[in-house]
This record gives sequence, C-alpha cells and structure tokens, in this order.
Amino acid sequence: EDKVVQSPLSLVVHEGDTVTLNCSYEVTNFRSLLWYKQEKKAPTFLFMLTSSGIEKKSGRLSSILDKKELFSILNITATQTGDSAIYLCAYTWGSNYKLTFGKGTLLTVNP
Amino acid sequence: KAGVTQTPRYLIKTRGQQVTLSCSPISGHRSVSWYQQTPGQGLQFLFEYFSETQRNKGNFPGRFSGRQFSNSRSEMNVSTLELGDSALYLCASSLGGIDNEKLFFGSGTQLSVL
Repeated sequence: EDKVVQSPLSLVVHEGDTVTLNCSYEVTNFRSLLWYKQEKKAPTFLFMLTSSGIEKKSGRLSSILDKKELFSILNITATQTGDSAIYLCAYTWGSNYKLTFGKGTLLTVNP
Repeated sequence: KAGVTQTPRYLIKTRGQQVTLSCSPISGHRSVSWYQQTPGQGLQFLFEYFSETQRNKGNFPGRFSGRQFSNSRSEMNVSTLELGDSALYLCASSLGGIDNEKLFFGSGTQLSVL
C-alpha cells in the first residue's frame, strides 16, 4: 500500500532553534512531493519538489528531496513563534490529481 | 484576489440526515478537490473535479458525492450521516494544468454529527 510517513509526530523547540522535519514515502510512479503548513484550518502551500537533490528555499525555510532514498526534509532555521503549526507533506503519483498526505508534524515554538 | 471560500463554516447534524457543503474556488481556477480531515486519519482525498467532470475519486462510500458547476463552484453532499463523518471538510482549488498539485485550501467546514 502506498504511504507517506512523517517524523517526528510532534516537536517542541525554543525560538531561534533550527528544526528538521522528515517525510518518507513509498509509491510507484512518483511525480511530486509537497509541503504544506497548517496553522488553524487552511493548509498553505510551501514547496513542491520533483527533482532529486535540488534545494528549494524561501526565507528561513528550505526543503530537499531524495528520490533514491524516497524521503524529503523540511528545514526551518531561526524559528519564531509564528512557525508553530502542523507541517504536512504529501505526494502525487502517475497522472492522477490527488494528493496523499502524511499525518503531519506538530511544531510548537516557545518564546 | 479572493481565496477559496467554503460555506458554512460550522454545521451540526444528527445521524441519518444529509448535508451539502459549498466551495467557491479562486477566480480562474478550474480544478476543485475535496478532503476530509480527522485527528486519527489526517487529510484524506475525497474527489477532484475539473470543468464539471470528476477526474478522481478517493476510497469513500457512495454516500459521499460531489459536483461542479460551470462557474467552477463545487458542492459536496453526504447522505445518511454517521457519527464517523464528523470531520473538517476542506476544499482546495488549483489552476488544473501542470501546476495542479499546488492546491489553495479554504478554511473548511467543521461538521459535527450527533
């Protein structure tokens, strides 16, 4: 069965820390890996990765995909309280149009 | 540009009733997807519509149905509600082309079934 596993399930850090969130997946005919941030209800898009080894960066957030080892990481440097959220990863495969999500990582950043 | 709008925000129903949820996508977006989010199962795909046609369907019973109108607005219907249908129902829209994975989500409809 195709699946995506995120770790850790939850994480508590202090402002200024750097965190690494993990996402591993198992799927045939992989197409893309996506990261979303869910603060209250509406997940917001962060990154989409399709090529292995190419880092995507946006401010303090960055992500990279390893298609050989079937995982992705999301890094957040100099964390702020506003980074507190659930971080979701998802993959797409083949030519279909659905995202398969992991259960998410709950990140809490304390001041 | 207005975001994805879902109505109503909250709903309380009893078992056996039916419910209709509404979603207005971002202007210009032709694809609308629906997801169910529960604490135990996370986000699960329900179905996706593009130009009024259902292109994909998730593993949900036939009680869950949807449709899309010519203006890209979408509705989903759940008939014969069960307690386990209590969840946050999220709608997402996208352009529908090669960037179809970049979903823009609404704030959801929180459904409680008593």
